[in-house]
Amino acid sequence: DTGVSQNPRHKITKRGQNVTFRCDPISEHNRLYWYRQTLGQGPEFLTYFQNEAQLEKSRLLSDRFSAERPKGSFSTLEIQRTEQGDSAMYLCASSHRTSSAGELFFGEGSRLTVL
Amino acid sequence: AQTVTQSQPEMSVQEAETVTLSCTYDTSESDYYLFWYKQPPSRQMILVIRQEAYKQQNATENRFSVNFQKAAKSFSLKISDSQLGDAAMYFCAYRSAGFLRGSTLGRLYFGRGTQLTVWP
Repeated sequence: DTGVSQNPRHKITKRGQNVTFRCDPISEHNRLYWYRQTLGQGPEFLTYFQNEAQLEKSRLLSDRFSAERPKGSFSTLEIQRTEQGDSAMYLCASSHRTSSAGELFFGEGSRLTVL
Repeated sequence: AQTVTQSQPEMSVQEAETVTLSCTYDTSESDYYLFWYKQPPSRQMILVIRQEAYKQQNATENRFSVNFQKAAKSFSLKISDSQLGDAAMYFCAYRSAGFLRGSTLGRLYFGRGTQLTVWP
């Protein structure tokens, strides 16, 4: 198992374009999380999946953001009509329901730059 | 909402010396978990150490230990015998224990981080 994998690692796009990020969690981790991290800030929670069900969404997740986990394995995070304020590192993390304290295992992140 | 505060944006330490990173948090809950995560440059965040609020004993992981003061809502990280590889951004994080009882609260609340530099 190679850990949490995120693609692409870097994305540069023009304002108004749509972008999609993919996260492959650690095998058999049924919980998956998306966080956003901007420069000088700690990660901020966006959304949480347990298996294929999206159980919690932050108010940060505007209507332009949508996340899916159709088969309870990989997840996608799509941002429509990107804005410069969307520039950030998007982090994916996973955990197993039996893991002690529910600690998260993070991917390396997908860095988005909106021009 | 829970808040986590790291008042030291930057810290530095000489190799082999000891450094302490500070963290305070605000919560009305009695049962929760606290974590320190390390984020090296351009690499993924990894868990350094965790503390269960119901445990009075401070957690220790090799050169890393915490000073957990529940009444003061303080959770500091001590790194002993600092090594060059310890240089990274360190984040303090909080999680409600309700998550582990089937609650849908799946989020970690992070502080803004402390950038640790280790000098040779």
